[in-house]
Amino acid sequence: EPEVTQTPSHQVTQMGQEVILRCVPISNHLYFYWYRQILGQKVEFLVSFYNNEISEKSEIFDDQFSVERPDGSNFTLKIRSTKLEDSAMYFCASSSGSGQFFGPGTRLTVL
Amino acid sequence: QKEVEQNSGPLSVPEGAIASLNCTYSDRGSQSFFWYRQYSGKSPELIMFIYSNGDKEDGRFTAQLNKASQYVSLLIRDSQPSDSATYLCAVNKETSGSRLTFGEGTQLTVNP
Repeated sequence: EPEVTQTPSHQVTQMGQEVILRCVPISNHLYFYWYRQILGQKVEFLVSFYNNEISEKSEIFDDQFSVERPDGSNFTLKIRSTKLEDSAMYFCASSSGSGQFFGPGTRLTVL
Repeated sequence: QKEVEQNSGPLSVPEGAIASLNCTYSDRGSQSFFWYRQYSGKSPELIMFIYSNGDKEDGRFTAQLNKASQYVSLLIRDSQPSDSATYLCAVNKETSGSRLTFGEGTQLTVNP
């Protein structure tokens, strides 16, 4: 069964450093998303991407964040200058138009 | 008022019983409603979605939607210990493409 994959599974970085989180959505899906979940809190929407552009973004998704689909398979989230409060699980999801299917997540720890 | 509200639990049921999980939402424009299961330390796993008022059944799971009351529920019949997890209710405003807004989840424990 096709699934969303994410790398790395765990990323540790120093405050102020740039990180890139990678995702490979399900191949025939058209909608791509990033969510995050701070430990013990609810899942929060960051950004959605459709037809090679951002379709929606939340107030969390400020200028420090960017997304890219550099080729036909990968979907990336870049955080330019990480802050302590960026520590969270980051989930990529994809959809063909109905339910969204989540990847296993990347645990980002900012020290 | 929270956009999506769930009882945090924990909800504890014996094995074989029916577990009932509830969710209310504030935006009357919400169109689609989803239930996800999340095991500790894992990602959300889609169980069911429902668009129309009424019941939708899939195996041991039944989703119920009442748009007038802005209420959606999930029933799990013949609960198993492997059903022990946090159940997340999520809504979006369109039938496709838009963001999911999640509740904080209800923690379910099924006791053998």
